[in-house]
Amino acid sequence: QSVLTQPPSVSGAPGQRVTISCTGSNSNIGAGFDVHWYQQLPRTAPKLLIYANVNRPSGVPDRFSGSRSGTSASLAISGLQPDDEGDYYCQSYDTTLTEVFGGGTKLTVL
Amino acid sequence: EVQLVQSGAEVQKPGEPLKISCQISGYIFFTYWITWVRQVPGRGLEWMGSFSPGDPDPRYSLSFQGQVTMSVDKSISTVYLQWRSLKVSDTAIYYCARQGLDATDALDVWGQGTMVTVSS
Repeated sequence: QSVLTQPPSVSGAPGQRVTISCTGSNSNIGAGFDVHWYQQLPRTAPKLLIYANVNRPSGVPDRFSGSRSGTSASLAISGLQPDDEGDYYCQSYDTTLTEVFGGGTKLTVL
Repeated sequence: EVQLVQSGAEVQKPGEPLKISCQISGYIFFTYWITWVRQVPGRGLEWMGSFSPGDPDPRYSLSFQGQVTMSVDKSISTVYLQWRSLKVSDTAIYYCARQGLDATDALDVWGQGTMVTVSS
């Protein structure tokens, strides 16, 4: 059971928009700690996609966007492409002095 | 270019010791946190522990405290993850990642991962 809860899977057709939620608690996201998002394509290492809730590292397309509110955060992917298919993880910090990941969401592009 | 290059895949028997490495280049070593992450095949990411720049003692997740040891050799810009006695349940991919200037920062650069297989 992960400290941050994500839906196990989401799907969408090419060109569509999908969102992935990340629900935490008052000891992590709700305490004001930043949320980061990672993309893991098949058989590759994770890659930073969004940092500090809303920021994209250099090279990440603006099709990817993040938001945070209360004890939750969301990742939105617009203009879905087949190459977006993979696993997506949220991450934050917890007042128990640990870093925590969501359980991951598998994105399928139909 | 910042790079974290990990040692190659390992196949070991239960009870054997093991030490894997993560060599860092492209920035001043130990000015950023370094984190280890485990991924059991088919499962999600788990934070194992982190080194901070100003503290030689790593912080461990309670799940991994006493199970692994993290160490560093600053002279060759390398961090290590080691086991005294492997278990079948240690079979996983292990990633090192650069974290940033604070424990709440993102993991912005990742190693390629080291696959550890423990089987009799």
